[in-house]
Amino acid sequence: SQQGEEDPQALSIQEGENATMNCSYKTSINNLQWYRQNSGRGLVHLILIRSNEREKHSGRLRVTLDTSKKSSSLLITASRAADTASYFCATVGGAQKLVFGQGTRLTINP
Amino acid sequence: GAGVSQSPSNKVTEKGKDVELRCDPISGHTALYWYRQSLGQGLEFLIYFQGNSAPDKSGLPSDRFSAERTGGSVSTLTIQRTQQEDSAVYLCASSRTSGGAGELFFGEGSRLTVL
Repeated sequence: SQQGEEDPQALSIQEGENATMNCSYKTSINNLQWYRQNSGRGLVHLILIRSNEREKHSGRLRVTLDTSKKSSSLLITASRAADTASYFCATVGGAQKLVFGQGTRLTINP
Repeated sequence: GAGVSQSPSNKVTEKGKDVELRCDPISGHTALYWYRQSLGQGLEFLIYFQGNSAPDKSGLPSDRFSAERTGGSVSTLTIQRTQQEDSAVYLCASSRTSGGAGELFFGEGSRLTVL
């Protein structure tokens, strides 16, 4: 399976600190995407990084991709209480469907 | 519409009954996905529709599950003879591009509880 696996499963930090979440996958990919899910809601797309890209930024988000290690990381800088949510990576490979990992539950303590 | 719409938002049913869940994707989106999410878990892929191509049904957990997409727009996920293990949130998503090349837009989900 090319399913992504996030690490850690849960992360609790103080407001203002940086949060780093990791994602590993098993097979070659076309792109990797990160999504956010607030409790009881649908998922919201955060950022997409293509297999030929190594790093991408969007506001306080920084995503890296290492295809040799089949891994990606999501960094949220200067965290806020509103960043509390679950974060999922999703991969797209030859099967042309988006496959999600189990997610990281991030808690930002005020 | 402005976003992906799912109905019902909540459904409570008795074991053995059939249920239908509906998804209205964003107008013009050719790709439509159904996922299932159990409490506190990740998303389990169920089925993927892309334009007029045959759907990818590889994620459907049993023959009690089926889905159709009429006219390339609205989709219905049907679960026959529901079981307690079918209890979950069923999420629908649509995309303007095919094959996961672009972002998915998710609905708020249909929470199914089988008693």
